[in-house]
Amino acid sequence: ELKVEQNPLFLSMQEGKNYTIYCNYSTTSDRLYWYRQDPGKSLESLFVLLSNGAVKQEGRLMASLDTKARLSTLHITAAVHDLSATYFCAVADYGGATNKLIFGTGTLLAVQP
Amino acid sequence: DVKVTQSSRYLVKRTGEKVFLECVQDMDHENMFWYRQDPGLGLRLIYFSYDVKMKEKGDIPEGYSVSREKKERFSLILESASTNQTSMYLCASSLIGSGNYNEQFFGPGTRLTVL
Repeated sequence: ELKVEQNPLFLSMQEGKNYTIYCNYSTTSDRLYWYRQDPGKSLESLFVLLSNGAVKQEGRLMASLDTKARLSTLHITAAVHDLSATYFCAVADYGGATNKLIFGTGTLLAVQP
Repeated sequence: DVKVTQSSRYLVKRTGEKVFLECVQDMDHENMFWYRQDPGLGLRLIYFSYDVKMKEKGDIPEGYSVSREKKERFSLILESASTNQTSMYLCASSLIGSGNYNEQFFGPGTRLTVL
């Protein structure tokens, strides 16, 4: 059974600092997704990582995937308040007729001025 | 842009009521999903469907059923609502095949409270 773990669960950081969110998963998969959720809102897709060594960047966020280590990271550079949200990683589970996504528990990021 | 809509943003029901949550997507996606989201538990898959009239159980199907009579519409049914079904319910859809990388697109969510 595929399990996805994120850490930390909660991250309070100051504006201008750098930090990394980690996403570990338990069985082989080569597709990993990062989503953002603002309070009271739905999930918005940030990145789709499709292969080992994939790296994608958008603004102050950079995501990478190491399929051998079964690890993805979401790195935040010089955080700003607008990045405050909950971030989820999700891993493709190829069992069955449809590719499901298994989600981590989410990381609540609070960027303090 | 893909648009996934859900019939209600907020819903309050009483224990024992039958509850229908509706989801509609406008991008001709084959796959549709229902999740519930609870604090500290992330998103958990209730049911999904990969074609009209086809459905598969997710991780937590107990107490729920689904209906997919048309490709664009996927309904979640709580046959007899209970207080432990108070949650945020999220619908999502995705394309079959590699072109869309199985990326799921989410609706705005329905916050259901069962009293």
